Formats: sequence, structure tokens, C-alpha cells
Amino acid sequence: DAGVTQSPTHLIKTRGQHVTLRCSPISGHKSVSWYQQVLGQGPQFIFQYYEKEERGRGNFPDRFSARQFPNYSSELNVNALLLGDSALYLCASSSTGGITDTQYFGPGTRLTVL
Amino acid sequence: AQKVTQAQTEISVVEKEDVTLDCVYETRDTTYYLFWYKQPPSGELVFLIRRNSFDEQNEISGRYSWNFQKSTSSFNFTITASQVVDSAVYFCALSEPSSGSARQLTFGSGTQLTVLP
Repeated sequence: DAGVTQSPTHLIKTRGQHVTLRCSPISGHKSVSWYQQVLGQGPQFIFQYYEKEERGRGNFPDRFSARQFPNYSSELNVNALLLGDSALYLCASSSTGGITDTQYFGPGTRLTVL
Repeated sequence: AQKVTQAQTEISVVEKEDVTLDCVYETRDTTYYLFWYKQPPSGELVFLIRRNSFDEQNEISGRYSWNFQKSTSSFNFTITASQVVDSAVYFCALSEPSSGSARQLTFGSGTQLTVLP
């Protein structure tokens, strides 16, 4: 079975632009979470979606938004990009996103903001 | 606030040596899960193990073993007879409640392990 897939692999944008990152979860998984990993740090939680509903949000500004589609794939949108948004964006999928679940991560999208 | 501390930023060992990666956590939850992930240079986080707060049995999987001690809030990871392919960043993570009904992973800052031939 395919694992979590993310697109694109790499992306270069300039300040002020917006970006859309995409994620497809493992088949059968209904929950998707997004994390931001700045170089040299551990991943930071951005959003969790389950059954197309937002379940939780980390400490990120409103420039960050996401949605989940009926096929459980997800998009992360970032508006008005700042240099500090340069990071590896990781998508994780799990069955329900609950406490007993393990989150499985995709390869990430590396975003560079110039 | 919940927190995961990986005090070892970088560790370098010679192949076939044993190495232990430390993880200390803080939580007020009575039910929680701890995880270890491996991140090779490719960037993908690879799941290694999950433990719940009620199961303090140590676990061994091949060359990997984990020592979970609630009394010291530690969940340490040992690689026996290390190999060059073990070189990666290793993250310890704690599953905690987030806003709403979400469960988020709180990660430590990671330990860069380099195994030299």
C-alpha cells in the first residue's frame, strides 16, 4: 500500500505570495495533520482534520489555513508568505487522529521563501 | 505545558558501538503515548515505536530497544551494534490534547546521530 504522499517536493516563492501544499493520506485513514519543521528543530503542529472537519489548530497565524476533501486528501494554504515560513512542511495521516493512533508522515514539501 | 526534552543535540559513534538516545518528557495527562521517529537526510519521518503510559515493559526489536520509566519521566532509545545506516536525526514525541478534540504530537528538538565507519 502507498504511504502518505505530498506534492510538490520543493517550492520556491517570494515574500507576499501564497502557496498551496497537498497531501494524500494512507488508504483507509480519515485524519490528516500538518506540521512545520524549521531547520534544526522538531516539527510543530499546525492543524488536524478528521472527516473534513478541523479538529485542532496549533499556534500559527490566520495566514495558515487548510481543508480536507471528501476523499480525505488535504491542502495547506499559506498567504502573504514571510521569510520565516521557509521550512519543511510535513503531512501525517492516521486512522482517526485519536489518542491511540499512530501518525505516519509523508516525505514533506520543502518551502523556500525569498 | 507539555514538553519533550532531548538534551543530546549530536552524538557521534564508531560503527558497532552501542548508543543510547535520551528523552525526558513532562505531562499532566494520566493517559498518554510516547513515540520515537527517525528522520534520515531525505526528510521523511519514519515511525519506530509507540508506548502508552500504562505499559512500562521494555521493548526490543532487533538492534533497537526502548526503556520507559514513568518514575523518571524518561523514554530512552538504545541502538546496539550501530551501523552507518543508522545515521539520522531521531525525535522523541509525546501525544497530547490540542485545541478542540485534536491530538497533536509534541516533539523534542531531536538528536543527530552520526555513525562513522
